[in-house]
Amino acid sequence: DAGITQSPRHKVTETGTPVTLRCHQTENHRYMYWYRQDPGHGLRLIHYSYGVKDTDKGEVSDGYSVSRSKTEDFLLTLESATSSQTSVYFCATGGGPLTGEQYFGPGTRLTVT
Amino acid sequence: DAKTTQPPSMDCAEGRAANLPCNHSTISGNEYVYWYRQIHSQGPQYIIHGLKNNETNEMASLIITEDRKSSTLILPHATLRDTAVYYCIVWEKTSYDKVIFGPGTSLSVIP
Repeated sequence: DAGITQSPRHKVTETGTPVTLRCHQTENHRYMYWYRQDPGHGLRLIHYSYGVKDTDKGEVSDGYSVSRSKTEDFLLTLESATSSQTSVYFCATGGGPLTGEQYFGPGTRLTVT
Repeated sequence: DAKTTQPPSMDCAEGRAANLPCNHSTISGNEYVYWYRQIHSQGPQYIIHGLKNNETNEMASLIITEDRKSSTLILPHATLRDTAVYYCIVWEKTSYDKVIFGPGTSLSVIP
């Protein structure tokens, strides 16, 4: 979806370093989500946000934190990256539970060496 | 765990209808059936959703059985660009975080 961008698109980092991934939307959607996708696990929800400064944990939130200071931006931070966090990360937006549909960004491929 | 089961893979001839089944035998009355697809290396794309009636849009049709324990996504005239992984999800609309993507069905459209 052209209204959702992720940066960086690719990143290689070393174990123990902090990493921040950014999701930016122009759709003015209230809800934003961070997923990770790994072979054999499908898409798994990390954190989500239901408004500015309102966030909550998903099913695989350990080792991740998020922040949302503006409607359009949702940041995912790995405080100290580990090799198990090597994955493809997708951001999604949506109108929330009552509308159902989510719109996904192009993804960020993160490699932790 | 995902609340749905789907065949891991399917083939379909180009130009023919692709019928992708999904079993959701434990679905509750207020849960919707959603379908997404993911073309290689791209983010998932919303296709269609329904509660108990059949639904159709410009991309596909969704047929839900009367007991709601299973559904079928129909791509009426499959093209090579429909080759993707298709995810069937059940979701209660009042749940903020309960969208669980299972492994999906890998559909290959063959020339």
